[in-house]
Amino acid sequence: EVQLVDSGGGLVQPGKSLRLSCAASGFTFDDYAMHWVRQAPGKGLEWVSGISWNSGSIGYADSVKGRFTISRDNAKNSLYLQMNSLRAEDTALYYCAKGSNSHIAAGWFDPWGQGTLVTVSS
Amino acid sequence: QSALTQPASVSGSPGQSITISCTGTSSDVGGYNYVSWYQQHPGKAPKLMIYDVSNRPSGVSDRFSGSKSGNTASLTISGLQAEDEADYYCSSYTSSITYVFGTGTKVTVL
Repeated sequence: EVQLVDSGGGLVQPGKSLRLSCAASGFTFDDYAMHWVRQAPGKGLEWVSGISWNSGSIGYADSVKGRFTISRDNAKNSLYLQMNSLRAEDTALYYCAKGSNSHIAAGWFDPWGQGTLVTVSS
Repeated sequence: QSALTQPASVSGSPGQSITISCTGTSSDVGGYNYVSWYQQHPGKAPKLMIYDVSNRPSGVSDRFSGSKSGNTASLTISGLQAEDEADYYCSSYTSSITYVFGTGTKVTVL
């Protein structure tokens, strides 16, 4: 069974940093692109970032470009999101999701992790 | 990248059919056949229901179907059931090598 377990969320002050992790199991991790998608409380879904199987292709939403960095460790079957210069508007439930192919382009998201909550507040 | 436009809410009685629209631009929905749909029940992670405009993953009921015309994609739920009550989101790949989601639609079974 494919399983994604998100972790690393918490309460952080504006301007500070946080690193999210996603542990994958049940599939050949380095065959697939991976993504982060977030959902602010009571709001809709927003794609945050995606990374190809070999980290050779990476994409970011304009809202996080220059502040967030996605990475992966295929030896550890893990996906990461380093979030710097956090703002109140980054408060959300962050989900990792498996891509549909090895590249970030032209795909879909399935399955999703359970999400990890990031709250940015002083 | 602006969110794709969906109706805020759609409702129907059990057994009826409903359709949710998802309107974008030629840079996303209209430019690619990479539209997907997700179902989200309260407090749960989203679940893939349709991919590549009209394909259903294994395990998803054939009551769910997708289509696209121009810059607008649609999700149709036929034979509406109580368990279909949830939020639904469309998503599209874009020319910016990113993805954009729809604004979300709350489906209510009357």
